[in-house]
Amino acid sequence: EVVLTQSPGTLSLSPGERATLSCRASQSVNSGQLAWYQQKPGQPPRLLIYAASTRAAGVPDRFSGSGSGTDFTLSISRLEPEDFAVYYCQDYDDSPYNFGQGTKLEIK
Amino acid sequence: EVRLLESGGGLVQPGGSLRLSCAASGFAFSRYAMTWVRQAPGKGLEWVSAISGSGGSTFYADSVKGRFTVSRDNSKNILYLQMNSLRAEDTAVFYCAKYLPEDSGSPRVVDYWGQGTLVTVSS
Repeated sequence: EVVLTQSPGTLSLSPGERATLSCRASQSVNSGQLAWYQQKPGQPPRLLIYAASTRAAGVPDRFSGSGSGTDFTLSISRLEPEDFAVYYCQDYDDSPYNFGQGTKLEIK
Repeated sequence: EVRLLESGGGLVQPGGSLRLSCAASGFAFSRYAMTWVRQAPGKGLEWVSAISGSGGSTFYADSVKGRFTVSRDNSKNILYLQMNSLRAEDTAVFYCAKYLPEDSGSPRVVDYWGQGTLVTVSS
């Protein structure tokens, strides 16, 4: 079973800045089977990135994913006010399809 | 338009049972694997269970294995989660969600989520 550790727990930045969120797996995630989701208060999550680096439909190109093996990164190039939310990574290579504990991106 | 509407949540005593339903529309339901994901109040996401499009394959998190059963009725486009022997730690919003197509290369990625239904286990 893969355990995902996200860092930092909370990231305080200002609009216009660049955000870098990390997701580290306890063992290699085969074929980059890793996704990123965004969740805002009172809403279900929203798919941003899958296969480590493929943007989902409708996701702005300021969001990008990278990484392989055990280390993955979600980058947001220029933060917009609507980007402040909680972000989760998920391994979907094999059951159980675990999520990381989340990174809260807050306005500084 | 894809729509997923959960129902069946509510207050139940420890040791009790509850069945959640998820009515799906806007896509060919039987062709897609589906999943349940939960979120305890103020906490992160926890994957609970998944089921193949045909219903022939099911998967569970260790925390619910032996207590929860996922099933589907493809003639009615409904996904179910039967929850038995409920515990206080099962208190959460339960989301029904749809996976990407099997031939997408990423068949266990959620692309649509319902709004969730709250399950509260308390005496």
